[in-house]
Amino acid sequence: GENVEQHPSTLSVQEGDSAVIKCTYSDSASNYFPWYKQELGKRPQLIIDIRSNVGEKKDQRIAVTLNKTAKHFSLHITETQPEDSAVYFCAASKGNEKLTFGTGTRLTIIP
Amino acid sequence: NAGVTQTPKFRVLKTGQSMTLLCAQDMNHEYMYWYRQDPGMGLRLIHYSVGEGTTAKGEVPDGYNVSRLKKQNFLLGLESAAPSQTSVYFCASSRASGGYEQYFGPGTRLTVT
Repeated sequence: GENVEQHPSTLSVQEGDSAVIKCTYSDSASNYFPWYKQELGKRPQLIIDIRSNVGEKKDQRIAVTLNKTAKHFSLHITETQPEDSAVYFCAASKGNEKLTFGTGTRLTIIP
Repeated sequence: NAGVTQTPKFRVLKTGQSMTLLCAQDMNHEYMYWYRQDPGMGLRLIHYSVGEGTTAKGEVPDGYNVSRLKKQNFLLGLESAAPSQTSVYFCASSRASGGYEQYFGPGTRLTVT
């Protein structure tokens, strides 16, 4: 089955700086890559996703890039703010199969 | 719309006891999922359902059973709880699989002593 690895497990950045979280996947047929954000004590929520026919997608301060050849995708957060502090999960799936999640990255924004 | 709800929010069990976690969604979603979340291990799929009356095993199904008698409800059962089942359990639903957003419930924190 699919295997998704996520790095780093923890990340601290100064407020206003950028943060990058990377994930690699094992199944070259995977074609859907969402990112979920989980604030402390809350439920995971989708923040952005990308499909394999697109190399990059942006939504205000967040963006996701996909490199199909290398089988990795990344989440980029610019101009970080305190409310960006959370755990972020990447995931991958192909066709109608279920999502496989990464192990999560705890992002801390330092004021 | 309430979205996805879970009951109970917290529960403490003794080893060997049984319990059922209830998940309900009001979005008319076909797919429903049960995950467990443990520190450093992300979200691991326990069981899932692709429609009313169907269930399937996920990544970590041992020690759990599920039922989907009604489209809007997905029940997770622990027949004989073990300390290794101490975790936070999340239910989720989606319109379909593969490329559709999963909507999560608020979670149930279960402690087995």
